[in-house]
Formats: sequence, structure tokens, C-alpha cells
Amino acid sequence: EPEVTQTPSHQVTQMGQEVILRCVPISNHLYFYWYRQILGQKVEFLVSFYNNEISEKSEIFDDQFSVERPDGSNFTLKIRSTKLEDSAMYFCASTSDGTGELFFGEGSRLTVL
Amino acid sequence: EDQVTQSPEALRLQEGESSSLNCSYTVSGLRGLFWYRQDPGKGPEFLFTLYSAGEEKEKERLKATLTKKESFLHITAPKPEDSATYLCAVRDGGTSYGKLTFGQGTILTVHP
Repeated sequence: EPEVTQTPSHQVTQMGQEVILRCVPISNHLYFYWYRQILGQKVEFLVSFYNNEISEKSEIFDDQFSVERPDGSNFTLKIRSTKLEDSAMYFCASTSDGTGELFFGEGSRLTVL
Repeated sequence: EDQVTQSPEALRLQEGESSSLNCSYTVSGLRGLFWYRQDPGKGPEFLFTLYSAGEEKEKERLKATLTKKESFLHITAPKPEDSATYLCAVRDGGTSYGKLTFGQGTILTVHP
């Protein structure tokens, strides 16, 4: 069964450092997303990406965040200068038809010290 | 702003003891209400989409229903493997496809 894969599963970084979280969406999907979940809190939308551009982003997704689809298979989330409050589980998701029936990866846990 | 509230926060059931989870929502122009299941340390797994009041969807021991203000996830004769966090989410008419607003979830524990 096709699945969304994310790497790394866990990353520990120092405050102020740059991190890149990587995702390989399901191969025939066209819509890509990043969500995050701070421990004990709700799953929150960060950004949606379609046709090689951001289609919508939340207030959380400020200038410190960027997304990229560098090739035909990868989808990345970059945080330029991490803050303590960026510590969370980051989920990549994809869908073929833009509905809310999202396929989520298993997440990348980011710990900022 | 879309709001989704789920209750109860946690629910403990004995195997075979049926119950319901609630999701109340406030949204401008509902374009879908979604139920997901999340196991510890994993990403959410899609269960159901409901679009209009009166709609029902079923999958094994789960049935989701929708009214104009809330949705219920009914669990019939649950088994221990149904233990998980169940998430409700909505998409409104003013957002891009796939932007969902999630509730905080109901943690379901089914004891054998």
C-alpha cells in the first residue's frame, strides 16, 4: 500500500539552527501539506502546496518557514532559525484530489534545545 | 474562525460496550467534516468524510453521523484494537483544499 514517508523520524537541534524535514508523498498525489502537533495539543495546519507553489499558509508559517519540491518526489519543510516553541511533531500529508482525505506520514519529531 | 470541540476528552470502555464520541463545530460554509484515527506516535489515518446534515458513513464497528452543528462517531461492540485517539476536523468554503481545522481529539481506551 502506498504511503507517505518522512525523514528524519526524530531530530534534536540547538535554538537558532536551521533544520530541513523531508517527505516523500505518494507518487501520484498532487497536493502536499505540512501540519504540526505540539505535544498534547491539536494538529495544526501550516501550509498547502500545489502546482509548485504555496496555495495557503497559516499564521504560524512565518518568514522562518519555507517549503520546496526540489524534484519530482521530495517535499521539504525548512525552518531557518529554530526556536524553542518550534518543538513539535511535524506531519507531511498528501492527496490526489485536493479533498480533506489526507494521507499522513508518521511524522518527524523536532526537539529544539 | 473555524472551531472544533470534541467530547469527552477521554473515554474508557469495556470490550463490547458501545458508545459515542461527539464533535461540535462552528464553520463558515462547511465543505466537509472528517474523522481520523491517530495511534500513539503515528500520523492521523483517514476514516470518514461527511458533507451534509443527515449523512452517515460506516466502516466495521464505526459509524459517523452529521447534523448542522455536530457529528457523532458511534462505536459498536468495540475491541481493544479500537483503542486510539479519534480526531474530528472540518474544512470550510473559504480555504484551500486540504486545509483542515482539527479538534483536540478523544482518547479511546477499550479494555479486554
